[in-house]
Amino acid sequence: GQQVMQIPQYQHVQEGEDFTTYCNSSTTLSNIQWYKQRPGGHPVFLIQLVKSGEVKKQKRLTFQFGEAKKNSSLHITATQTTDVGTYFCAGQGANNLFFGTGTRLTVIP
Amino acid sequence: DAGVIQSPRHEVTEMGQEVTLRCKPISGHNSLFWYRQTMMRGLELLIYFNNNVPIDDSGMPEDRFSAKMPNASFSTLKIQPSEPRDSAVYFCASSFGFGLGVYEQYFGPGTRLTVT
Repeated sequence: GQQVMQIPQYQHVQEGEDFTTYCNSSTTLSNIQWYKQRPGGHPVFLIQLVKSGEVKKQKRLTFQFGEAKKNSSLHITATQTTDVGTYFCAGQGANNLFFGTGTRLTVIP
Repeated sequence: DAGVIQSPRHEVTEMGQEVTLRCKPISGHNSLFWYRQTMMRGLELLIYFNNNVPIDDSGMPEDRFSAKMPNASFSTLKIQPSEPRDSAVYFCASSFGFGLGVYEQYFGPGTRLTVT
């Protein structure tokens, strides 16, 4: 069945370092969404990518959707302690929405 | 806007008991989703409704789980009988418009269920 894999599972960075999480699907996706979940909180929508090769930026966050619409990435430049949390991708397939396993980011001050 | 409201926030119950989780979606949203989150399995979609009608319940683990949406402002997820492996955080989410993954979802604070 369709799966959405996300790597790495955990990432520890020093404050100011960059961070990237990758999302890979076994099949072509219609679109992909990214969510952030703070420790003890609930997922919060960040962005949605629809077009092949699409790149979107939100301040220090850069989101990309692969040309084949099977992979996506989230890159954070110069991490801050407020970036701590788990980042999930959610890929829309033919008849379902698959959440990635998430990347838990820890930022060391 | 109060956002998606879930109750209770925490539930501790004994194996075999019935558990009912409640959700009030954001007013005006057409779609409602129930998720379960565990360390082992991550975030799983259980069922979703469009205009109060269940569209896809293929994620519901087994017959012990049932969900209803009697009107646009209320939904329940029931587990009967509950088992320890049902322990998880259950999230309700809503979105404007139809379709799965087409629109951003707004998640509620979740219900942390512990079955002993």
